Amino acid sequence: NFMLTQPHSVSESPGKTVTISCTGSSGSIASNYVQWYQQRPGSAPTTVIYEDNQRPSGVPDRFSGSIDSSSNSASLTISGLKTEDEADYYCQSYDSSNRVFGGGTKLTVL
Amino acid sequence: QVQLVQSGAEVKKPGASVKVSCKASGYTFTSYGISWVRQAPGQGLEWMGWISAYNGNTNYAQKLQGRVTMTTDTSTSTAYMELRSLRSDDTAVYYCARDLEPRGAARFDPWGQGTLVTVSS
Repeated sequence: NFMLTQPHSVSESPGKTVTISCTGSSGSIASNYVQWYQQRPGSAPTTVIYEDNQRPSGVPDRFSGSIDSSSNSASLTISGLKTEDEADYYCQSYDSSNRVFGGGTKLTVL
Repeated sequence: QVQLVQSGAEVKKPGASVKVSCKASGYTFTSYGISWVRQAPGQGLEWMGWISAYNGNTNYAQKLQGRVTMTTDTSTSTAYMELRSLRSDDTAVYYCARDLEPRGAARFDPWGQGTLVTVSS
């Protein structure tokens, strides 16, 4: 079964840049689009990146996504960190007809 | 605006069933699917399955096969998720989300507000 692996947690200071990785277990992560969702405590997830590197309207351009085929991984980069970016972040893709989530990464902005 | 509104919290005993509803508005219901995702307390997101609102085709996560049924009522633009033989580890917040396949990538936008299902004797 296809799996996505994320670091459990990352932390960085306000104003800095952080990158969260999402590594595919098999095949090529570039074969299917990767999405990134932000989830604040007590709220439903919302999309911050879709189709590898597309930003929904209303998401600041401090958020960007990329794919690295050589490491079979996707990355979410947040620049100019703000305290409001503190949240859980999940990558998501699909394999055959099954949707798959990464385990989630808790971002602490301190 | 596109919106999904879910039914309220439920408390069930082990062995019982629960049925959660998800009413869609702001878009053509039959043009997309609905996925269901759950999140146990303090845990990550788990995809449960998908249903096409166009023709009712379903695809369930292997882990839940035989215990879950997803349906839609196109006359009211409402999707339903029923989970049977409930266990304590089914305690979770259950989300519905518009699934953009086949009109786009298999991704979720927007999400419902979530429904807490508590399984306890």
